Amino acid sequence: AQSVTQPDIHITVSEGASLELRCNYSYGATPYLFWYVQSPGQGLQLLLKYFSGDTLVQGIKGFEAEFKRSQSSFNLRKPSVHWSDAAEYFCAVSAGKSTFGDGTTLTVKP
Amino acid sequence: ETGVTQTPRHLVMGMTNKKSLKCEQHLGHNAMYWYKQSAKKPLELMFVYNFKEQTENNSVPSRFSPECPNSSHLFLHLHTLQPEDSALYLCASSQEVAGDYEQYFGPGTRLTVT
Repeated sequence: AQSVTQPDIHITVSEGASLELRCNYSYGATPYLFWYVQSPGQGLQLLLKYFSGDTLVQGIKGFEAEFKRSQSSFNLRKPSVHWSDAAEYFCAVSAGKSTFGDGTTLTVKP
Repeated sequence: ETGVTQTPRHLVMGMTNKKSLKCEQHLGHNAMYWYKQSAKKPLELMFVYNFKEQTENNSVPSRFSPECPNSSHLFLHLHTLQPEDSALYLCASSQEVAGDYEQYFGPGTRLTVT
């Protein structure tokens, strides 16, 4: 069965600092991988997705993620965080059905 | 309207009430989903519909009753709920259930059971 682990429940970064959110998955083959963002009181919005090909994928709002097969990871990065990035971030894996991680809450300090 | 819409956005109901949540997608998708999101708990998949047929029911109590009359509309009928059912209920859709299709989420209905 597939599974997703987001090891960090809560991360705090200063505005302008770089960000990396971790995601590890468990699946026998290469799954389809997604990152979603949820602002308070809103639904989830897709940031980016990986299916195949280039292991570094670009998404919206300046986010990128890198697929590393050897580490079963799909970490989300942003070089310079803005206050508006404060939200909850979900990693998801899809292989016939979608499985979401428990989420990482990002707080941005001024 | 575009994307996935949900009504109402907020709902307060007593434990003896009957109410329904509505979801509509304007994306031409074939799969629709209900999720429950409680504070401090992970996202819980409740039901999945693919081409109007229910394909997944994740041991959801019978006080939650889904209905999918067509591929664009999804309802969640609620009756005799418990306070622990208070949560954000999210609807989502995707082109199909399998594989590489991302899900598009509505804004959710914030449900409070008193």
